[in-house]
Amino acid sequence: KNEVEQSPQNLTAQEGEFITINCSYSVGISALHWLQQHPGGGIVSLFMLSSGKKKHGRLIATINIQEKHSSLHITASHPRDSAVYICAVIRPSGTYKYIFGTGTRLKVLA
Amino acid sequence: DVKVTQSSRYLVKRTGEKVFLECVQDMDHENMFWYRQDPGLGLRLIYFSYDVKMKEKGDIPEGYSVSREKKERFSLILESASTNQTSMYLCASRPYEGGETQYFGPGTRLLVL
Repeated sequence: KNEVEQSPQNLTAQEGEFITINCSYSVGISALHWLQQHPGGGIVSLFMLSSGKKKHGRLIATINIQEKHSSLHITASHPRDSAVYICAVIRPSGTYKYIFGTGTRLKVLA
Repeated sequence: DVKVTQSSRYLVKRTGEKVFLECVQDMDHENMFWYRQDPGLGLRLIYFSYDVKMKEKGDIPEGYSVSREKKERFSLILESASTNQTSMYLCASRPYEGGETQYFGPGTRLLVL
């Protein structure tokens, strides 16, 4: 079993829909990172969080440390949100290690 | 803005060739990373460098080596390329360990024939 599991693996939505991507992990972490990868490969950071909730525009990320679970929500989805969304956990300080999920491929149809 | 650049976006090499992938960051970051990304497997760490001339093996170092002679540049070397090294290679940097975000380069898609 992977230490970081994402669901769903693939997701197709209609423009305007509310989208949720889930990430569960089984190891101790100091923080969790949501990343976005567009076709062509470039990866950009969306959020880093260690507790609670963060919001940026139409994106909201939440984390529940006790349940070892995080969600990424996209409100009013748009075709430009089509990308692969990757969850990565950062191991406690003293190590360099990130553990990545395999990603959720999102396609938003106009 | 932090900028991480990689020397090539696409590369085609023959089996047995020596391959150099270069990564340069412009923000004086101490930590630099090389990952490979394969379908269904996510990103896997090949090597990590926490300072000039310092390196540590990641999860899949076999068949690879690295060089960090200057702080801004981290090179990944495939000593003798093999077809199972066909992959997307991503470089990243971050200022220090302890939870700071990583900044990724655009990736190099390597095909070994």
